[in-house]
Amino acid sequence: EDQVTQSPEALRLQEGESSSLNCSYTVSGLRGLFWYRQDPGKGPEFLFTLYSAGEEKEKERLKATLTKKESFLHITAPKPEDSATYLCAVQAFGTSGSRLTFGEGTQLTVNP
Amino acid sequence: DTGVSQNPRHKITKRGQNVTFRCDPISEHNRLYWYRQTLGQGPEFLTYFQNEAQLEKSRLLSDRFSAERPKGSFSTLEIQRTEQGDSAMYLCASSPGRGYTFGSGTRLTVV
Repeated sequence: EDQVTQSPEALRLQEGESSSLNCSYTVSGLRGLFWYRQDPGKGPEFLFTLYSAGEEKEKERLKATLTKKESFLHITAPKPEDSATYLCAVQAFGTSGSRLTFGEGTQLTVNP
Repeated sequence: DTGVSQNPRHKITKRGQNVTFRCDPISEHNRLYWYRQTLGQGPEFLTYFQNEAQLEKSRLLSDRFSAERPKGSFSTLEIQRTEQGDSAMYLCASSPGRGYTFGSGTRLTVV
């Protein structure tokens, strides 16, 4: 069974204080690893898809990396508007319909 | 592209009542998914449609839950005889094959 574990559960940063969120996964064959951002009361918003170990993607202050066992979401010089819950999900080969298995998320708070 | 639309945004119902939610996917997306999310948890897969065919159902989807996607367009999720444990955010997502777009969800509260 596919499993995703995210850490920490919650993270408080000061504005400008860089940090990383971790996503550890177990999957039979990784088709893709996804990062989403979710604001309170809203649906997840797509950030990145990573497909193979060693791959990196960047968007503004966010950078996602992937190894064979985990992914990191690096946040450089965060701003208060980066406060949200960040969700990691995996998609396995052979999974009917390409369902996603999500972790429980990391709730990020950036204080001004 | 108006995104994935879900209605209603919020629903409060008494235990034992039936409720129905609607999802309008992005028009060119042939795949549609329903997920459920409880507070502090990540979304959990419920069911999947490719066009009008329901191809997979999670064991989380008890007999009280039914989903349809007539003509491969919008979808409905019905919960019969609601229980307090059904209180959650119900998320719909659509996909052309790779990558998902989620709607804003329907927040169900069973009192």
